[in-house]
Amino acid sequence: KAGVTQTPRYLIKTRGQQVTLSCSPISGHRSVSWYQQTPGQGLQFLFEYFSETQRNKGNFPGRFSGRQFSNSRSEMNVSTLELGDSALYLCASSLDTGVGNEQFFGPGTRLTVL
Amino acid sequence: EDQVTQSPEALRLQEGESSSLNCSYTVSGLRGLFWYRQDPGKGPEFLFTLYSAGEEKEKERLKATLTKKESFLHITAPKPEDSATYLCAVKTSYDKVIFGPGTSLSVIP
Repeated sequence: KAGVTQTPRYLIKTRGQQVTLSCSPISGHRSVSWYQQTPGQGLQFLFEYFSETQRNKGNFPGRFSGRQFSNSRSEMNVSTLELGDSALYLCASSLDTGVGNEQFFGPGTRLTVL
Repeated sequence: EDQVTQSPEALRLQEGESSSLNCSYTVSGLRGLFWYRQDPGKGPEFLFTLYSAGEEKEKERLKATLTKKESFLHITAPKPEDSATYLCAVKTSYDKVIFGPGTSLSVIP
């Protein structure tokens, strides 16, 4: 069974640009969550999608947005990039949204903003 | 304010030297507490979910316990391959997921 895949794995952008990251969940998983990981702030929750609907959102500015498609694949977009957006962006999928559903993480996309 | 802390920040053990990692939480309602292991350059790998005080779960050399204010991850007779960063996270009654900063474990042969 294939794991969670994220593309691209590495990305370099400059301030002011925008970026789109992609996540393909494990087959059959309908819930996708996104996290930002930095050395200073650790892992922080961005948002959670289930059946194409955003169920939950973390404390990030509106420059961070996402969506989920009918096949459960998800994308997140960051507009007007800032230096502080440099981070590892992780996607996690689970069968459902219940707390008992184990989350499987992808390898992440390493974003560097210059 | 909901908060999750972990201690120690880093831990260095000799192979076979048992120890415990701590995760303390202050949240408005706990739906579940999770332990993950993260290796360098990889995403976190799920280890355990605990739901209520008094609950314990085991997997190989790892045992997780939960009280009303904290969780412990006990590592018995660790091996070098147990070296990783161990993260705990909580899911609150508002469905927010909050991660702790992690404990970096090094097991020396």
